[in-house]
Amino acid sequence: SSELTQDPAVSVALGQTVRITCQGDSLRTYYASWYQQNPGQAPVLVIYDKSDRPSGIPDRFSGSSSGNTASLTITGAQAEDEADYYCSSRDSSGNHYVFGTGTKVTVL
Amino acid sequence: EVQLVQSGAEVKKTGEPLRISCKGSGYSFTSHWIAWVRQMPGKGLEWMGMIYPDDSDTRYSPSFQGQVTISADKSINTAYLQWSSLKASDTAMYYCARRPIFDYWGQGTRVTVSS
Repeated sequence: SSELTQDPAVSVALGQTVRITCQGDSLRTYYASWYQQNPGQAPVLVIYDKSDRPSGIPDRFSGSSSGNTASLTITGAQAEDEADYYCSSRDSSGNHYVFGTGTKVTVL
Repeated sequence: EVQLVQSGAEVKKTGEPLRISCKGSGYSFTSHWIAWVRQMPGKGLEWMGMIYPDDSDTRYSPSFQGQVTISADKSINTAYLQWSSLKASDTAMYYCARRPIFDYWGQGTRVTVSS
């Protein structure tokens, strides 16, 4: 399958930890990247190559992977982390890319 | 500073052709694939395809193959996404992004198609 599946929505109390997962067969072979999207804005890369952070991304964002599941963890969630999050990876052929279905994170 | 700057919003009628653009600057444009991503209203991100500007090698998602054309003019550091005949279902925001990790994105081009 070339699909990447995410939970539609999760919520987290301010300052607590939340993990967002992304499942797909291609993740057994290829790394996932993660993107944060705020309403009306372009996506922003927050994690790449499974667990690397671009400069400027807070270290409360971390990534991991096991088997067919990639995870994005926000440790000590802040109000500004409330957004939609998408994973992405190559598909099983390796020639194309695919995005996950997206997870809306609400910070309570 | 790396930038991808997209063309402005478009309002078109069904059946009309359209080409939108994505101009790169601040890096070697010919050394990075440029991908196009669709986001329909209230929906998620969809990878449409990508082009390597140096030789115009192009890959399409099976979902978009035959529906759109991706091209590039490396002499002016610009990639394009075009339709020969728009449908109402093409109404969406379209983003370009730089591969391999989609670290830079354009600001998006909103395309509205009505009858």
